[in-house]
Amino acid sequence: NAGVTQTPKFQVLKTGQSMTLQCAQDMNHNSMYWYRQDPGMGLRLIYYSASEGTTDKGEVPNGYNVSRLNKREFSLRLESAAPSQTSVYFCASSEAYVGQGNTEAFFGQGTRLTVV
Amino acid sequence: RKEVEQDPGPFNVPEGATVAFNCTYSNSASQSFFWYRQDCRKEPKLLMSVYSSGNEDGRFTAQLNRASQYISLLIRDSKLSDSATYLCVVNIPRGGGSQGNLIFGKGTKLSVKP
Repeated sequence: NAGVTQTPKFQVLKTGQSMTLQCAQDMNHNSMYWYRQDPGMGLRLIYYSASEGTTDKGEVPNGYNVSRLNKREFSLRLESAAPSQTSVYFCASSEAYVGQGNTEAFFGQGTRLTVV
Repeated sequence: RKEVEQDPGPFNVPEGATVAFNCTYSNSASQSFFWYRQDCRKEPKLLMSVYSSGNEDGRFTAQLNRASQYISLLIRDSKLSDSATYLCVVNIPRGGGSQGNLIFGKGTKLSVKP
């Protein structure tokens, strides 16, 4: 059981380059999320998708776009990477939108992105 | 006031010690609370949900105090393998209805020494 799979695991970009982080889950979860984690800042929500076909901004959406391609996949795109986007990115999924009771969020292994 | 606040630590304790972490949250309408564990360079994983009546799972006890808006995690008889960062997580309501976001505290680092 793969759970939540993110690709790539590591990436180095030059300022201004674009890239897409891929995320897929095989647990038939409705809700998916993208977080970034920086030293001293904790996990911050970038975007989330409560269900297939919907996406909403989180705490730190600027500089990112997302696509909920289907129920399994939720991608995060950096159109023009900046050094401030150097971070560890985590994708997560849960059975129901987390406002609906105590539902566990499962995380992918993370993508370590460096923008130089 | 930040939405979810934790003491960042680090907490350095000997094996066998009892250690307690506290976490405060600002939104009194929050309904769901969790403790996650994150090992170095790994993804967060659910340790336990926190219920109003308090709950225990082996050496771990979680408590919720709604009146004071804080959550606690108690670890008894610490093991070397308990060394990790412990994240307090709160579901913060957004807008109306049942929508909310999982908001993570910055984490408290625990180091258990022999």
